[in-house]
Amino acid sequence: DSGVTQTPKHLITATGQRVTLRCSPRSGDLSVYWYQQSLDQGLQFLIQYYNGEERAKGNILERFSAQQFPDLHSELNLSSLELGDSALYFCASSQGLAGLDTQYFGPGTRLTVL
Amino acid sequence: DAKTTQPNSMESNEEEPVHLPCNHSTISGTDYIHWYRQLPSQGPEYVIHGLTSNVNNRMASLAIAEDRKSSTLILHRATLRDAAVYYCILRDWGYGGATNKLIFGTGTLLAVQP
Repeated sequence: DSGVTQTPKHLITATGQRVTLRCSPRSGDLSVYWYQQSLDQGLQFLIQYYNGEERAKGNILERFSAQQFPDLHSELNLSSLELGDSALYFCASSQGLAGLDTQYFGPGTRLTVL
Repeated sequence: DAKTTQPNSMESNEEEPVHLPCNHSTISGTDYIHWYRQLPSQGPEYVIHGLTSNVNNRMASLAIAEDRKSSTLILHRATLRDAAVYYCILRDWGYGGATNKLIFGTGTLLAVQP
């Protein structure tokens, strides 16, 4: 158990809909990362937050947005869903901003768009 | 970002040592070599990291070539639980957020036979 929790575990929805994925980091960790894992693209970094502020962006679509709240939990919002958005979404957390900080991953949310 | 190259798959027998290679010929002086692994149906987990010297921890050993252009992750006695995708990742030691993201390649799928 990494200490990172993600809800829900599974999500099935239809094209055009909007969903919210939630992540609670390990106790004491200030950085939260979101990754997407699909069969054709592999594991890809989406976005990072540190203590409530966005710090780095990867290949995140404009239809996707995220935020980190004062209690440090984070949410990833996916809107106007398309079939290609079906994937595993992982949240990870680390202590701070050091490049060597170990990232601890949650169990993931499996999103299926029908 | 510097790139790593790993074999797509490897096979091992239970209780035998496994050597997982990684090539990173364009590694820079500030890049650390990290290994993460992803067990089936789980999020990635940290295994080990190093800069120049060989490193050992309870999970594995990391042998780094003198010119740092390649490295090898060593599992001393593979168990069935070690069956996973192993990712070799270069991370800059810098501080500040932009370098924190993990860039995953395709990794090596390790199969362990009983």
